[in-house]
Amino acid sequence: NAGVTQTPKFQVLKTGQSMTLQCAQDMNHNSMYWYRQDPGMGLRLIYYSASEGTTDKGEVPNGYNVSRLNKREFSLRLESAAPSQTSVYFCASREPGQGTDTQYFGPGTRLTVL
Amino acid sequence: GESVGLHLPTLSVQEGDNSIINCAYSNSASDYFIWYKQESGKGPQFIIDIRSNMDKRQGQRVTVLLNKTVKHLSLQIAATQPGDSAVYFCAENPHGQNFVFGPGTRLSVLP
Repeated sequence: NAGVTQTPKFQVLKTGQSMTLQCAQDMNHNSMYWYRQDPGMGLRLIYYSASEGTTDKGEVPNGYNVSRLNKREFSLRLESAAPSQTSVYFCASREPGQGTDTQYFGPGTRLTVL
Repeated sequence: GESVGLHLPTLSVQEGDNSIINCAYSNSASDYFIWYKQESGKGPQFIIDIRSNMDKRQGQRVTVLLNKTVKHLSLQIAATQPGDSAVYFCAENPHGQNFVFGPGTRLSVLP
């Protein structure tokens, strides 16, 4: 039982390049989330998927797209990376209404855009 | 959203002492709260939660206090250990909506 896994762990991009961050969970959770974390700031929600087949914008969606590939996988795509997207990206999953209603987080992807 | 700049507030405590970390939340409609611990280079980990129909909840060495009147949450860690050094942040959940996370407090445990 690996929980939430993310790939890659580290990535350096040049401005204008594209990439996809991968996330998978093995806890059979319906909801999945993408956050970014910048120094001294709380986690900010980029996109979320309440259930397979649905996605919705969060607080900071500009410059990103997502795909809920199936119940296990939720990917985040940067079509044309910008230095402002330098951040640590966390994926999380959750099963609402099950006792402790926490999100389970992956280890993060550290992205630098030059 | 909240924005407090580049530097997190830091709490330094002596090993063995008790720690109290505070959090002010923003939405009076929030009815569920979680404290997370985030060690360097890792994702946040659940510590303890509390619902709005309670004002105190205890776990192993940790206690969360909720004061809805002033929208304040605190995390108490008893007998703080070196392994407790991390960033701690609270999250609030307005009913039916997504979590909102605070910026966090860095806890440093001195030997």
